[in-house]
Amino acid sequence: AQSVTQLDSHVSVSEGTPVLLRCNYSSSYSPSLFWYVQHPNKGLQLLLKYTSAATLVKGINGFEAEFKKSETSFHLTKPSAHMSDAAEYFCVVSDFGSARQLTFGSGTQLTVLP
Amino acid sequence: NAGVTQTPKFQVLKTGQSMTLQCAQDMNHNSMYWYRQDPGMGLRLIYYSASEGTTDKGEVPNGYNVSRLNKREFSLRLESAAPSQTSVYFCASSEALNSPLHFGNGTRLTVT
Repeated sequence: AQSVTQLDSHVSVSEGTPVLLRCNYSSSYSPSLFWYVQHPNKGLQLLLKYTSAATLVKGINGFEAEFKKSETSFHLTKPSAHMSDAAEYFCVVSDFGSARQLTFGSGTQLTVLP
Repeated sequence: NAGVTQTPKFQVLKTGQSMTLQCAQDMNHNSMYWYRQDPGMGLRLIYYSASEGTTDKGEVPNGYNVSRLNKREFSLRLESAAPSQTSVYFCASSEALNSPLHFGNGTRLTVT
């Protein structure tokens, strides 16, 4: 069985400072991992995905994530936060052994302070 | 570039009423999904359709039915709405199972 835990339900940063959103996962197989972003009253949008090609994955809007198998983590980072980054972020694991496809984390709400 | 279109955007139902949520995608994707989003719980899969002509239950299928009308359209039906079905419903599509999802903007449903 697969699962995903987002370690912080809320994160606040100041504009221009680094962003770190933490995600741990468990999977019986070699997983695919995703980060999605959701702006208010919108659907989710893919930020980036890991599918075993490279452990450091670059996504849109300056975000990146590093797959660390030994730590079962897939944390999302950005060097410098922008006001438009304020949104909810979801870490997602996909396990080919699961008939239920994707498992979503409970989300991290990112607030960016001026 | 419409992507995934959901209708309606908002709906209020009384307990016991029925309704159908519509979803259409114009990306020629094979797989389609219905999720519900509740505060603090992420997204939970209700039903999915791996390809045209097939549907399967997800994590929370009770109280719902689906129809994959054709490759483009995947509808979700509530036969007898209950207050526990108050939620935001998202339709999504992907090229194949485990491919990245493309989401609609959601339907906010309230059952009183």
